[in-house]
Amino acid sequence: ILNVEQSPQSLHVQEGDSTNFTCSFPSSNFYALHWYRWETAKSPEALFVMTLNGDEKKKGRISATLNTKEGYSYLYIKGSQPEDSATYLCAFPSGSARQLTFGSGTQLTVLP
Amino acid sequence: DGGITQSPKYLFRKEGQNVTLSCEQNLNHDAMYWYRQDPGQGLRLIYYSQIVNDFQKGDIAEGYSVSREKKESFPLTVTSAQKNPTAFYLCASSALGGSTDTQYFGPGTRLTVL
Repeated sequence: ILNVEQSPQSLHVQEGDSTNFTCSFPSSNFYALHWYRWETAKSPEALFVMTLNGDEKKKGRISATLNTKEGYSYLYIKGSQPEDSATYLCAFPSGSARQLTFGSGTQLTVLP
Repeated sequence: DGGITQSPKYLFRKEGQNVTLSCEQNLNHDAMYWYRQDPGQGLRLIYYSQIVNDFQKGDIAEGYSVSREKKESFPLTVTSAQKNPTAFYLCASSALGGSTDTQYFGPGTRLTVL
């Protein structure tokens, strides 16, 4: 089973702080890297699908970068708000059918 | 409203019983998936289907079975052979099942074995 690792496991920040966390994945046989946000009592929802080395994607205050050569992606949140509190998951397609292998997530809590 | 529905939201089962979790989508997606989540772990793939009448085992298929008789439906049966069935189960779908396809998730079913 493929190893997709996320760090830190959990994070508490104050409202207004900027924060970032990491997803590490195997650097060989790269197809794409997915980021999802999973709020409590809701379904996971897609944030980004990243495909190119050096790719940078942005959605409001959230952005992500990708380094396929070294096998990592960073997710940044600028000026965190309480509504950003969620678990952020990354996922890496692998195997013959390129199904998603998920990391265990980073649980972000933004304190008001 | 387009989306994925799962039922029931909570399910209790006695040891030794089989139980079936429902997943329906009206997104006209070809691919559907079942994941399991345990505390402190990521989503682990149980089964997936990329086309009607075909499905493949994921990483943790033992003790589970599925069917895909209709495009919109992908029920999961948790059999008595599954040693630790208590978990949160998520169903998802994607347009074609490709590596860049976004997956859309249902609200989940929490199964507890008594």
